Amino acid sequence: QKEVEQNPGPLSVPEGAIASLNCTYSDRGSQSFFWYRQYSGKSPELIMSIYSNGDKEDGRFTAQLNKASQYVSLLIRDSQPSDSATYLCAVVPSGGSYIPTFGRGTSLIVHP
Amino acid sequence: NAGVMQNPRHLVRRRGQEARLRCSPMKGHSHVYWYRQLPEEGLKFMVYLQKENIIDESGMPKERFSAEFPKEGPSILRIQQVVRGDSAAYFCASSRQGDEAFFGQGTRLTVV
Repeated sequence: QKEVEQNPGPLSVPEGAIASLNCTYSDRGSQSFFWYRQYSGKSPELIMSIYSNGDKEDGRFTAQLNKASQYVSLLIRDSQPSDSATYLCAVVPSGGSYIPTFGRGTSLIVHP
Repeated sequence: NAGVMQNPRHLVRRRGQEARLRCSPMKGHSHVYWYRQLPEEGLKFMVYLQKENIIDESGMPKERFSAEFPKEGPSILRIQQVVRGDSAAYFCASSRQGDEAFFGQGTRLTVV
Protein backbone atom coordinates (compact mmCIF):
# COMPACT_ATOMS: atom_id res chain seq x y z
CA GLN A 1 0.00 0.00 0.00
CA LYS A 2 1.55 3.28 -1.14
CA GLU A 3 0.88 5.86 1.51
CA VAL A 4 1.08 9.60 1.92
CA GLU A 5 1.08 10.91 5.47
CA GLN A 6 0.26 14.35 6.75
CA ASN A 7 -0.31 15.71 10.22
CA PRO A 8 -4.02 16.60 10.28
CA GLY A 9 -3.48 19.65 12.48
CA PRO A 10 -4.95 22.09 12.85
CA LEU A 11 -1.83 24.17 12.44
CA SER A 12 -2.48 27.63 13.82
CA VAL A 13 -0.19 30.53 12.93
CA PRO A 14 -0.52 34.29 13.36
CA GLU A 15 -0.96 36.53 10.36
CA GLY A 16 2.38 37.39 8.78
CA ALA A 17 4.16 34.27 10.07
CA ILE A 18 5.60 31.38 8.06
CA ALA A 19 3.41 28.28 7.91
CA SER A 20 5.25 25.00 7.41
CA LEU A 21 3.32 21.99 6.17
CA ASN A 22 4.89 18.57 5.93
CA CYS A 23 4.26 15.34 4.08
CA THR A 24 5.98 11.96 3.97
CA TYR A 25 5.45 9.19 1.44
CA SER A 26 6.22 5.51 1.35
CA ASP A 27 7.04 4.82 -2.31
CA ARG A 28 10.73 5.58 -2.73
CA GLY A 29 10.41 5.61 -6.52
CA SER A 30 7.84 8.39 -6.62
CA GLN A 31 8.63 11.08 -9.17
CA SER A 32 5.99 13.78 -9.00
CA PHE A 33 4.77 15.74 -6.01
CA PHE A 34 1.96 18.26 -5.70
CA TRP A 35 0.36 20.55 -3.16
CA TYR A 36 -3.32 21.40 -3.34
CA ARG A 37 -5.35 23.85 -1.32
CA GLN A 38 -8.95 23.01 -0.46
CA TYR A 39 -11.31 25.48 1.12
CA SER A 40 -14.23 24.06 3.07
CA GLY A 41 -16.95 22.87 0.71
CA LYS A 42 -14.83 23.51 -2.38
CA SER A 43 -12.71 21.42 -4.70
CA PRO A 44 -8.92 21.01 -4.45
CA GLU A 45 -6.90 23.68 -6.24
CA LEU A 46 -3.37 22.93 -7.46
CA ILE A 47 -0.91 25.44 -6.03
CA MET A 48 2.54 23.85 -6.44
CA SER A 49 4.24 20.98 -8.22
CA ILE A 50 7.80 19.77 -7.68
CA TYR A 51 9.74 16.99 -9.39
CA SER A 52 13.39 17.25 -8.31
CA ASN A 53 15.20 17.59 -5.01
CA GLY A 54 15.53 21.06 -3.59
CA ASP A 55 13.33 24.11 -3.36
CA LYS A 56 10.85 25.60 -5.78
CA GLU A 57 9.45 29.05 -5.12
CA ASP A 58 6.28 30.63 -6.48
CA GLY A 59 5.28 33.90 -4.86
CA ARG A 60 4.71 33.34 -1.15
CA PHE A 61 4.87 29.55 -1.58
CA THR A 62 7.97 27.37 -1.47
CA ALA A 63 7.88 23.63 -2.01
CA GLN A 64 10.79 21.56 -0.74
CA LEU A 65 11.56 18.00 -1.79
CA ASN A 66 13.98 15.52 -0.25
CA LYS A 67 13.68 12.18 -2.02
CA ALA A 68 16.29 10.49 0.18
CA SER A 69 14.16 11.22 3.24
CA GLN A 70 10.90 10.74 1.32
CA TYR A 71 9.74 14.08 2.51
CA VAL A 72 8.06 17.04 0.85
CA SER A 73 7.05 20.29 2.49
CA LEU A 74 5.24 23.51 1.71
CA LEU A 75 6.20 26.84 3.24
CA ILE A 76 3.80 29.77 3.12
CA ARG A 77 5.46 33.09 3.88
CA ASP A 78 3.59 36.12 5.19
CA SER A 79 0.55 33.97 5.95
CA GLN A 80 -2.82 35.63 5.47
CA PRO A 81 -6.23 34.72 6.92
CA SER A 82 -7.26 33.87 3.35
CA ASP A 83 -4.66 31.07 3.43
CA SER A 84 -6.79 29.27 6.01
CA ALA A 85 -7.71 26.01 4.33
CA THR A 86 -6.80 22.34 4.19
CA TYR A 87 -3.59 21.61 2.30
CA LEU A 88 -3.37 18.28 0.51
CA CYS A 89 -0.13 16.60 -0.47
CA ALA A 90 -0.31 14.37 -3.55
CA VAL A 91 2.30 11.94 -4.82
CA VAL A 92 2.42 10.09 -8.12
CA PRO A 93 4.05 6.75 -7.33
CA SER A 94 6.46 4.79 -9.47
CA GLY A 95 5.34 2.07 -11.85
CA GLY A 96 3.79 4.24 -14.52
CA SER A 97 0.28 4.32 -13.06
CA TYR A 98 0.08 8.13 -13.07
CA ILE A 99 -2.48 8.02 -10.26
CA PRO A 100 -2.02 10.78 -7.68
CA THR A 101 -2.27 9.44 -4.13
CA PHE A 102 -3.41 12.00 -1.60
CA GLY A 103 -2.69 12.51 2.05
CA ARG A 104 -5.60 13.35 4.30
CA GLY A 105 -4.52 16.97 4.45
CA THR A 106 -3.41 19.47 7.07
CA SER A 107 -5.82 22.11 8.27
CA LEU A 108 -4.18 25.53 8.45
CA ILE A 109 -5.67 28.39 10.45
CA VAL A 110 -4.16 31.85 10.10
CA HIS A 111 -5.46 34.14 12.81
CA PRO A 112 -5.32 37.94 12.60
CA ASN B 1 -14.44 28.13 -19.31
CA ALA B 2 -11.53 25.84 -20.11
CA GLY B 3 -11.53 24.11 -16.72
CA VAL B 4 -12.77 20.68 -15.71
CA MET B 5 -16.56 20.71 -15.80
CA GLN B 6 -18.66 18.50 -13.58
CA ASN B 7 -22.41 18.24 -13.44
CA PRO B 8 -24.64 18.25 -11.67
CA ARG B 9 -23.14 20.18 -8.75
CA HIS B 10 -25.70 18.74 -6.36
CA LEU B 11 -27.65 15.53 -6.78
CA VAL B 12 -30.30 14.09 -4.49
CA ARG B 13 -31.37 10.51 -4.97
CA ARG B 14 -33.64 8.19 -3.05
CA ARG B 15 -32.28 4.85 -1.91
CA GLY B 16 -32.37 2.37 -4.77
CA GLN B 17 -32.21 4.96 -7.56
CA GLU B 18 -29.37 5.46 -9.98
CA ALA B 19 -26.91 8.37 -9.90
CA ARG B 20 -25.04 9.57 -12.98
CA LEU B 21 -22.17 11.99 -12.54
CA ARG B 22 -20.58 13.68 -15.54
CA CYS B 23 -17.11 15.07 -16.07
CA SER B 24 -15.72 16.94 -19.07
CA PRO B 25 -11.93 17.20 -18.82
CA MET B 26 -9.91 20.28 -19.65
CA LYS B 27 -9.22 20.80 -23.33
CA GLY B 28 -6.25 18.72 -24.38
CA HIS B 29 -6.46 16.41 -21.38
CA SER B 30 -6.96 12.72 -22.02
CA HIS B 31 -6.51 11.33 -18.49
CA VAL B 32 -9.45 11.38 -16.10
CA TYR B 33 -9.52 10.41 -12.44
CA TRP B 34 -12.51 10.06 -10.13
CA TYR B 35 -12.16 10.53 -6.37
CA ARG B 36 -14.63 10.34 -3.50
CA GLN B 37 -14.40 12.48 -0.39
CA LEU B 38 -16.37 11.99 2.79
CA PRO B 39 -16.70 14.86 5.30
CA GLU B 40 -13.49 15.45 7.25
CA GLU B 41 -11.73 12.73 5.24
CA GLY B 42 -9.21 12.65 2.44
CA LEU B 43 -9.62 12.03 -1.25
CA LYS B 44 -10.05 8.36 -2.04
CA PHE B 45 -9.09 7.24 -5.52
CA MET B 46 -11.79 5.37 -7.39
CA VAL B 47 -10.94 4.97 -11.05
CA TYR B 48 -8.51 6.19 -13.73
CA LEU B 49 -9.55 6.35 -17.35
CA GLN B 50 -8.21 7.38 -20.70
CA LYS B 51 -10.33 7.75 -23.80
CA GLU B 52 -12.36 4.55 -24.22
CA ASN B 53 -10.22 2.68 -21.68
CA ILE B 54 -10.36 1.97 -17.98
CA ILE B 55 -6.74 1.98 -16.87
CA ASP B 56 -7.16 1.31 -13.16
CA GLU B 57 -10.38 0.77 -11.20
CA SER B 58 -8.80 -0.64 -8.06
CA GLY B 59 -10.50 1.95 -5.85
CA MET B 60 -13.97 1.34 -7.14
CA PRO B 61 -16.42 -0.86 -5.22
CA LYS B 62 -16.97 -4.10 -7.11
CA GLU B 63 -20.74 -3.78 -7.18
CA ARG B 64 -23.06 -0.99 -8.25
CA PHE B 65 -20.29 1.36 -9.44
CA SER B 66 -19.11 1.75 -13.01
CA ALA B 67 -17.27 4.35 -15.05
CA GLU B 68 -16.70 5.13 -18.68
CA PHE B 69 -14.93 7.70 -20.84
CA PRO B 70 -16.25 7.35 -24.37
CA LYS B 71 -14.54 8.58 -27.49
CA GLU B 72 -17.05 11.42 -27.68
CA GLY B 73 -18.60 13.10 -24.68
CA PRO B 74 -17.87 13.33 -20.98
CA SER B 75 -16.70 10.72 -18.56
CA ILE B 76 -19.56 9.19 -16.59
CA LEU B 77 -19.48 7.72 -13.09
CA ARG B 78 -22.58 5.64 -12.55
CA ILE B 79 -23.85 4.40 -9.21
CA GLN B 80 -26.72 1.95 -9.33
CA GLN B 81 -29.15 1.29 -6.46
CA VAL B 82 -27.68 4.00 -4.28
CA VAL B 83 -27.50 3.58 -0.52
CA ARG B 84 -27.05 6.18 2.23
CA GLY B 85 -23.36 5.33 2.48
CA ASP B 86 -22.84 6.59 -1.08
CA SER B 87 -23.52 10.15 0.08
CA ALA B 88 -20.28 12.04 -0.50
CA ALA B 89 -18.55 14.57 -2.70
CA TYR B 90 -17.33 13.06 -5.95
CA PHE B 91 -14.50 14.87 -7.68
CA CYS B 92 -13.18 14.43 -11.16
CA ALA B 93 -9.67 15.51 -12.14
CA SER B 94 -7.96 15.56 -15.50
CA SER B 95 -4.38 15.74 -16.71
CA ARG B 96 -2.61 15.83 -20.06
CA GLN B 97 -0.34 12.88 -19.58
CA GLY B 98 -0.20 11.91 -15.96
CA ASP B 99 1.31 15.18 -14.83
CA GLU B 100 -0.48 17.99 -13.01
CA ALA B 101 -4.09 17.09 -12.34
CA PHE B 102 -6.80 19.74 -12.17
CA PHE B 103 -10.09 19.23 -10.38
CA GLY B 104 -13.63 20.04 -11.27
CA GLN B 105 -16.07 21.63 -8.83
CA GLY B 106 -17.36 18.26 -7.71
CA THR B 107 -20.77 16.67 -7.41
CA ARG B 108 -22.31 16.49 -3.95
CA LEU B 109 -24.46 13.37 -3.84
CA THR B 110 -27.05 13.05 -1.12
CA VAL B 111 -29.00 9.82 -0.75
CA VAL B 112 -32.25 10.14 1.18
